[in-house]
Amino acid sequence: NAGVTQTPKFRILKIGQSMTLQCTQDMNHNYMYWYRQDPGMGLKLIYYSVGAGITDKGEVPNGYNVSRSTTEDFPLRLELAAPSQTSVYFCASSRRHQSQETQYFGPGTRLLVL
Amino acid sequence: GQQLNQSPQSMFIQEGEDVSMNCTSSSIFNTWLWYKQDPGEGPVLLIALYKAGELTSNGRLTAQFGITRKDSFLNISASIPSDVGIYFCAALNAGNNRKLIWGLGTSLAVNP
Repeated sequence: NAGVTQTPKFRILKIGQSMTLQCTQDMNHNYMYWYRQDPGMGLKLIYYSVGAGITDKGEVPNGYNVSRSTTEDFPLRLELAAPSQTSVYFCASSRRHQSQETQYFGPGTRLLVL
Repeated sequence: GQQLNQSPQSMFIQEGEDVSMNCTSSSIFNTWLWYKQDPGEGPVLLIALYKAGELTSNGRLTAQFGITRKDSFLNISASIPSDVGIYFCAALNAGNNRKLIWGLGTSLAVNP
């Protein structure tokens, strides 16, 4: 099991450029999440998905889009990159079993928008 | 909205000392989770708590789910240099909402 994998590990974008952050999990988890973490801060939820074809907004969705066409993949799209989107992005997945749930995280994508 | 108050914000201790940190909230939760984040890495789950009053250990780590369901603590005994990192608490409520609520983290430094 590779767990949750994210690509790329690091990226520099110019203002206005677009990119897709990839996230894949091989644990057959139904739930997947995208978070951003700013320096010295906790995690803020961007979007989440409870299953293929279902997505919903989190705390800070503006400027981002997601899709969930398969159970394994949950890409995050930035259409017009802005300096405020400079952050570390973490993808996570979880499976609810008998009311118990834990989220497992990928290694993160570090994004710098200049 | 719901929020978790995690304290202390940071700690600097000597190797071998015990550490205690906690999270509190005005809301009730069904799940409490404790994560550790090493520099440049994603958070890694340390302990998961699913029942009020539950006390769970993972090696030198012990965590408890508060009986009121509004708080949790994490203890680390006999700290070692590799305990350095940021520790986050997170909690999940009883509804179908899958959103974890996160604390802001406790940064731990250990002096060898």
